[in-house]
Amino acid sequence: GENVEQHPSTLSVQEGDSAVIKCTYSDSASNYFPWYKQELGKRPQLIIDIRSNVGEKKDQRIAVTLNKTAKHFSLHITETQPEDSAVYFCAASIQNNAGKSTFGDGTTLTVKP
Amino acid sequence: DAGVIQSPRHEVTEMGQEVTLRCKPISGHNSLFWYRQTMMRGLELLIYFNNNVPIDDSGMPEDRFSAKMPNASFSTLKIQPSEPRDSAVYFCASSLDSMMNTEAFFGQGTRLTVV
Repeated sequence: GENVEQHPSTLSVQEGDSAVIKCTYSDSASNYFPWYKQELGKRPQLIIDIRSNVGEKKDQRIAVTLNKTAKHFSLHITETQPEDSAVYFCAASIQNNAGKSTFGDGTTLTVKP
Repeated sequence: DAGVIQSPRHEVTEMGQEVTLRCKPISGHNSLFWYRQTMMRGLELLIYFNNNVPIDDSGMPEDRFSAKMPNASFSTLKIQPSEPRDSAVYFCASSLDSMMNTEAFFGQGTRLTVV
């Protein structure tokens, strides 16, 4: 089955700096890669996703890159703000089974004001 | 739409008791998923349904766990008998199984504590 590894497990940055979280996956059939943000005590919520037919996607301060050959993808947050503090999960799945995703272990991001 | 609705939000029960968690997916979604989240094991997929039919239950930890989806708007996850190691947050999620829209929407979760 799919195996997703996520690094780092914790990340602390100063407000305004950039944050990068990296994930690798094992199943070459995976073609859909969502990122979820989970604030303390709340549900995971999708913040951005990328499909295998593109290499990069951007949404304001958030961007995701995908390297299918190397089987890794990354989340980039620029100009971080304290409200970006949360646990971020990457996931990999085969399209049409979005919820049947294999999740990484999560990265706890702390943005210091 | 109110989103995915789970009940109860919190459940405290004694070891050996039966626990039933409930989920109402978003109307029109045809895939439903049960996840368990713990500090030690992260987010684990337990089982998922498509069009009310269980497709993959390989994540169900053992026979004490069972899940049903009697119709498109309701699913249950049952643990009988419950054990302290079942303590976790259980999330239900739903998605529209289509080529165009693949986002999974999570419910608020049920925090289960077995003492």
